[in-house]
Amino acid sequence: EAGVVQSPRYKIIEKKQPVAFWCNPISGHNTLYWYRQNLGQGPELLIRYENEEAVDDSQLPKDRFSAERLKGVDSTLKIQPAELGDSAVYLCASSLEDPESYNSPLHFGNGTRLTVT
Amino acid sequence: AQKVTQAQTEISVVEKEDVTLDCVYETRDTTYYLFWYKQPPSGELVFLIRRNSFDEQNEISGRYSWNFQKSTSSFNFTITASQVVDSAVYFCALSEMDNFNKFYFGSGTKLNVKP
Repeated sequence: EAGVVQSPRYKIIEKKQPVAFWCNPISGHNTLYWYRQNLGQGPELLIRYENEEAVDDSQLPKDRFSAERLKGVDSTLKIQPAELGDSAVYLCASSLEDPESYNSPLHFGNGTRLTVT
Repeated sequence: AQKVTQAQTEISVVEKEDVTLDCVYETRDTTYYLFWYKQPPSGELVFLIRRNSFDEQNEISGRYSWNFQKSTSSFNFTITASQVVDSAVYFCALSEMDNFNKFYFGSGTKLNVKP
């Protein structure tokens, strides 16, 4: 089974520039998450999708961040414009949720390490 | 307030030593799930275990064991006879039934196993 695939692996941009991250979840996983992980900290949720619907985006800074999950499969996360404080690792995760198995484990990708200069 | 606290920021041991990683959680839900993840230098978080709040039995998987104690709201993780390959950052996480699929992660414990 192929895991969660993210690209790019690394990205270095200047502040005020736009940037986009891509995620392809495990086949068949209906729930997709974007997390941000700052150095020395645990992941923090940005947005969660169930199929193509964003069901929890309360932590997403909507003035500069946007996300989409067309057709309920892969997803993109965009930042425009980027700020210095956006430097972090952006992690995508997926899980298979159904009424019989709430709180299924998350499967994570390798992440995208963003550096804003 | 932090829902998951991992007080140990970094631990260093010598290979073959046993090591315990502490995790304390906070929740008002009666139904919840606890998880441990391993994050090696490659960056990918790897799922290790899930435990629901109704199952307080300790679990052992090879060199790994987990001690869940509701009375102290703790879910500690022990590695027996540690190996260099165990070097990673370990995260404890909580998911509550009332808000399922929302995971609260601790800040992680970095484990260094020296040869």
